[in-house]
Amino acid sequence: KAGVTQTPRYLIKTRGQQVTLSCSPISGHRSVSWYQQTPGQGLQFLFEYFSETQRNKGNFPGRFSGRQFSNSRSEMNVSTLELGDSALYLCASSLGLAGTRDTQYFGPGTRLTVL
Amino acid sequence: AQSVTQPDIHITVSEGASLELRCNYSYGATPYLFWYVQSPGQGLQLLLKYFSGDTLVQGIKGFEAEFKRSQSSFNLRKPSVHWSDAAEYFCAVGPMNTGFQKLVFGTGTRLLVSP
Repeated sequence: KAGVTQTPRYLIKTRGQQVTLSCSPISGHRSVSWYQQTPGQGLQFLFEYFSETQRNKGNFPGRFSGRQFSNSRSEMNVSTLELGDSALYLCASSLGLAGTRDTQYFGPGTRLTVL
Repeated sequence: AQSVTQPDIHITVSEGASLELRCNYSYGATPYLFWYVQSPGQGLQLLLKYFSGDTLVQGIKGFEAEFKRSQSSFNLRKPSVHWSDAAEYFCAVGPMNTGFQKLVFGTGTRLLVSP
């Protein structure tokens, strides 16, 4: 099976711009979660989508949003970029079903740099 | 609140020596437990996971971990370290059996391997 893919791998933006990141989960996985990784805050949960619905959300401002499509692919969007949004954004996919010994598998990440 | 503590920020081990990375968690119920490894510029790779049953779990690359409920610990071990094991290691906890996919990560331990 192909793993989790994320595009693009690298992005450079300037403050005030917006950005869209894409994630394709493992075939058959219906849950996609997003995490932000920074040297100062570590790995933090952004949100999770399951069957096109946001099922869980972390403690991030409304500038961070996402969506999921019917094929389980997901996008996350960050509007009005700030310098502090520079980070590695990781996507993880899983079955997302209750009662299963579920495991998240991560993609390679998108490195976002805000200038 | 849920939290994961990895008390060692850096560890240096000689090649061929044994390794133990510490992980303690605070969680309202019995969580699912995971160890991930991250090489520079890469995503997270799953090393092993604990859901229930035998408290000693085996993973990839010769790693194992032991769940100790009384100590709220899930320490990672390897009997003989190879230079290619140099990376950052993350312990994580997730909700048991709910389907929800939010993982809480520790701050990571960077492993350096000396010749």
